[in-house]
Amino acid sequence: DGGITQSPKYLFRKEGQNVTLSCEQNLNHDAMYWYRQDPGQGLRLIYYSQIVNDFQKGDIAEGYSVSREKKESFPLTVTSAQKNPTAFYLCASSIFPDPNTEAFFGQGTRLTVV
Amino acid sequence: KNQVEQSPQSLIILEGKNCTLQCNYTVSPFSNLRWYKQDTGRGPVSLTIMTFSENTKSNGRYTATLDADTKQSSLHITASQLSDSASYICVVSAGGGSQGNLIFGKGTKLSVKP
Repeated sequence: DGGITQSPKYLFRKEGQNVTLSCEQNLNHDAMYWYRQDPGQGLRLIYYSQIVNDFQKGDIAEGYSVSREKKESFPLTVTSAQKNPTAFYLCASSIFPDPNTEAFFGQGTRLTVV
Repeated sequence: KNQVEQSPQSLIILEGKNCTLQCNYTVSPFSNLRWYKQDTGRGPVSLTIMTFSENTKSNGRYTATLDADTKQSSLHITASQLSDSASYICVVSAGGGSQGNLIFGKGTKLSVKP
């Protein structure tokens, strides 16, 4: 099955810990994205990558880091510098550079600080 | 400032009835407008994507319209089903080669009751 897979579905983080969210796609898409979704809010862009070994900050990159060592993978690390990390995190991918193609989303990871 | 506003915030309808969701945007430059369906706790799934030159597009019981002059879009759902209960998100692409320029609305939460 072609698609985009996020893991884990639920993640709990203790204060001061770094955690890494996984995102893998087998759609052969060049571009990948990480979004954060809070209740009653629109999705906000954290980081995006248009090509392997390159990525750009989005609107709310502070306290997050990413890597893009492989085309298929775009992991997101939530660092201890992110003061309010409890949220629903969504990964997406799309063909680049055509802006008029679909963005496909994973099923999300719900991160909770305990 | 680029913005996407959706109305109503929430809506309750009876199964079998029709409904229309609204989206107003102030995004420049405009590339395309998308409607996504998001089930609770899941990732968004694309319903339609429309470019500047398209003013209507259908996907089964979903029909989206776009008026680029007034910067308004609507999503019409015909003969609603219980499975239509979800949040519907309007997304506008601010152009350029990257889809890192997507502007998300906060969504309309639709509840379909038997």
